[in-house]
Amino acid sequence: GAGVSQSPRYKVAKRGQDVALRCDPISGHVSLFWYQQALGQGPEFLTYFQNEAQLDKSGLPSDRFFAERPEGSVSTLKIQRTQQEDSAVYLCASSLGGGISYEQYFGPGTRLTVT
Amino acid sequence: GQQLNQSPQSMFIQEGEDVSMNCTSSSIFNTWLWYKQDPGEGPVLLIALYKAGELTSNGRLTAQFGITRKDSFLNISASIPSDVGIYFCAGRSNDYKLSFGAGTTVTVRA
Repeated sequence: GAGVSQSPRYKVAKRGQDVALRCDPISGHVSLFWYQQALGQGPEFLTYFQNEAQLDKSGLPSDRFFAERPEGSVSTLKIQRTQQEDSAVYLCASSLGGGISYEQYFGPGTRLTVT
Repeated sequence: GQQLNQSPQSMFIQEGEDVSMNCTSSSIFNTWLWYKQDPGEGPVLLIALYKAGELTSNGRLTAQFGITRKDSFLNISASIPSDVGIYFCAGRSNDYKLSFGAGTTVTVRA
């Protein structure tokens, strides 16, 4: 079946602009995650949803970052007033559940460049 | 920041060689995972380990969950050109949150 998809794949934003990144998880996957991957680093956890509930947003770096999953499927990560340090690849992952052995499957990511 | 120390940072390997990389942590994890990431793509799960001491294989890949629960290694046997990429270890201490290492970049000499 189809994997996790993300759009856009590439986004260039001028500093101060707002951006919205979309994630379509694997159909039927209850859990959804957002990660930020800086150049040359591994992904870092941003936030976690179980269905429409955002259960953990401890990794969001500032209040400029906001994520939602209103109907428990598609999710949007919004970054307001983008800064250069926000430049990174934003990865979305989904899993069948939230427990051990429900592993996360990643999308291809959105590469955000803030100029 | 990332809690996991992954080494080596990069390696050049000869086609046909066996290679090894490892990951250590100051924290205990309940699950260790190994992912591979190709340029422009997301990480793809290679092996998942759920019990201390567990040794698991997936084709030419073998990984072990350290007895202390603070380390793991990944072996690739008989390297081929498509093994090129970045390998990440990841640990999970609760039901969902993954912590990743910084990655090992593998380049194969033909």
